[in-house]
Amino acid sequence: QSVLTQPPSVSGAPGQRVTISCTGSSSNIGAGYDVHWYQQLPGTAPKLLIYGNSYRPSGVPDRFSGSKSGTSASLAISGLQAEDEADYYCQSYDSSLIVVFGGGTKLTVL
Amino acid sequence: EVQLVESGGGLVKPGRSLRLSCTASGFTFGDYAMSWFRQAPGKGLEWVGFIRSKAYGGTTEYAASVKGRFTISRDDSESVAYLQMSSLNTDDAAVYYCTRTHYYDSNGEVYFQHWGQGTLVTVSS
Repeated sequence: QSVLTQPPSVSGAPGQRVTISCTGSSSNIGAGYDVHWYQQLPGTAPKLLIYGNSYRPSGVPDRFSGSKSGTSASLAISGLQAEDEADYYCQSYDSSLIVVFGGGTKLTVL
Repeated sequence: EVQLVESGGGLVKPGRSLRLSCTASGFTFGDYAMSWFRQAPGKGLEWVGFIRSKAYGGTTEYAASVKGRFTISRDDSESVAYLQMSSLNTDDAAVYYCTRTHYYDSNGEVYFQHWGQGTLVTVSS
């Protein structure tokens, strides 16, 4: 059982907008720690997608955006493309566990 | 270009030890924390631990599941991070990734900027 809670799966048609939630607690996200997101394409290593709640590393399209409020965070993907089909993980810091992750969300592009 | 190459994976018997290496290039290795992750087949990511840069004491942190069995070290002169694993069991079987890690000097938060391609560890008799 992961410390951060994500939906196991989401789906959307090409061109649509989807969001993936990440819910934590008062010892991690709710304590003000940043949330980061990673994308793992099938058969590949994870890649940093969003850091510091809402910042995109160089090369990440602006179709990807992140936000945080209270004990939760969200990743939004607009203009969905087939190449976005992947697993997405959120990550934060926890005052006792140090590094915490969500269980991952599988995005299916219909 | 940042490159991280893990090596040292393979088949190991339960109860034995194994050391993984992560060879880095494309950045000043000594300036960064380095972390290890693992991912069992069909499962999610699991953080294993990290080692701070020498500027922050070169100290380590570990997940509860590996504390006392796994040790992370670094050789800044060779740009290599190591993961020494002992008393391995079948639950340790996974692809192991190393990452270049951003360390917040304000409060010790971390996130994982660059990932290697991983090395597979199989634990079986």
